[in-house]
Amino acid sequence: AQTVTQSQPEMSVQEAETVTLSCTYDTSESDYYLFWYKQPPSRQMILVIRQEAYKQQNATENRFSVNFQKAAKSFSLKISDSQLGDAAMYFCAYRMNYGGSQGNLIFGKGTKLSVKP
Amino acid sequence: DTGVSQDPRHKITKRGQNVTFRCDPISEHNRLYWYRQTLGQGPEFLTYFQNEAQLEKSRLLSDRFSAERPKGSFSTLEIQRTEQGDSAMYLCASSLKEGRGAKNIQYFGAGTRLSVL
Repeated sequence: AQTVTQSQPEMSVQEAETVTLSCTYDTSESDYYLFWYKQPPSRQMILVIRQEAYKQQNATENRFSVNFQKAAKSFSLKISDSQLGDAAMYFCAYRMNYGGSQGNLIFGKGTKLSVKP
Repeated sequence: DTGVSQDPRHKITKRGQNVTFRCDPISEHNRLYWYRQTLGQGPEFLTYFQNEAQLEKSRLLSDRFSAERPKGSFSTLEIQRTEQGDSAMYLCASSLKEGRGAKNIQYFGAGTRLSVL
């Protein structure tokens, strides 16, 4: 069964600094997607960034970028120039692309990010 | 695009009562998912629909849980004979399946928080 592990329950970063959130996953599949979702307090979860496993190039979205290491099954999120609005729970998630469970996301336990002014 | 809407936002009930939650997906999205999120955990998959067909159910979905998506539009999740262990946030997500998972990004609602007393 696929699993997603986020080993940092909490992280803190100074405003305007850079922070990296870690995620590792376990799968025997070769075709899958990886995601980072952000969940602000009492608000809905929103997609931050997505990576397709068959693409070697790391995804970037403005201040957010990933370091995808397929062989190591590692998928970290880097937030540059951190802003107060980045404070939230961040969830790493995996989705297989084909097969019986192609629909659902498998989430890690999350990392709570605090941003200090 | 009005987003995924869930109703109610909060539900307090007594043990043994039945509750029903509603989810309205983004219009034209053909896939709809239900997840459960307990405190300090990431969301866990419960079930998903493609149009009106329920294609997959998690083992977490006991016999007391039932989900429907009549006519492939909104969906309801009913919990019968609620137990204290059912207390959680119930999240709904929708996506548009196009080709090889290209646009199959799940967009989440704000959730329904259930408290069973």
